[in-house]
Amino acid sequence: GAVVSQHPSRVICKSGTSVKIECRSLDFQATTMFWYRQFPKQSLMLMATSNEGSKATYEQGVEKDKFLINHASLTLSTLTVTSAHPEDSSFYICSARRDTSTDTQYFGPGTRLTVL
Amino acid sequence: QKEVEQNSGPLSVPEGAIASLNCTYSDRGSQSFFWYRQYSGKSPELIMFIYSNGDKEDGRFTAQLNKASQYVSLLIRDSQPSDSATYLCAFLSGGYQKVTFGIGTKLQVIP
Repeated sequence: GAVVSQHPSRVICKSGTSVKIECRSLDFQATTMFWYRQFPKQSLMLMATSNEGSKATYEQGVEKDKFLINHASLTLSTLTVTSAHPEDSSFYICSARRDTSTDTQYFGPGTRLTVL
Repeated sequence: QKEVEQNSGPLSVPEGAIASLNCTYSDRGSQSFFWYRQYSGKSPELIMFIYSNGDKEDGRFTAQLNKASQYVSLLIRDSQPSDSATYLCAFLSGGYQKVTFGIGTKLQVIP
């Protein structure tokens, strides 16, 4: 199978702190990983595309200095929400592209961030 | 015009019936199409992908793609209450890595 894990699954933090979320592909190598955000009753919104060994590509309107992405290896990408505020509270989901020939993405279980 | 159009529902069907979910897209260059299922509070899980015009069957699920009309559909036969979820269609933009998701259709299977 294609298994993607995320850690932590849930985090509650105070406003102004930074939170790091890890995304790992457990049984395959992923040259490309994606970070999404989903607010209640809304669709997935792509935040950025993370390529191993290079800078992430951010979608329009996503602050790259606030959402730091590092894709240091073929199995790990991290998203750091810096100086989090209550409006950053959301469900953050990563996905990994397993096979470039099919472009199929497999999703991690998501991280629910609550900023107080 | 939105890139992906889906009826948000809810779509209610009785247990055992066929559920039909539809999606239209605007990018004629799209090559890859996906259906994901998302339970409340969970992340999406892949059900099927389809690239060629026509039907693709996998168990109780059948994906249908019509590139000329720019729509893709998902049929769920013998619907079960456990199929109750939000179904997201998605497509890969032609020439790009980016996958665009629809808002999802909420399906309710009534026992």
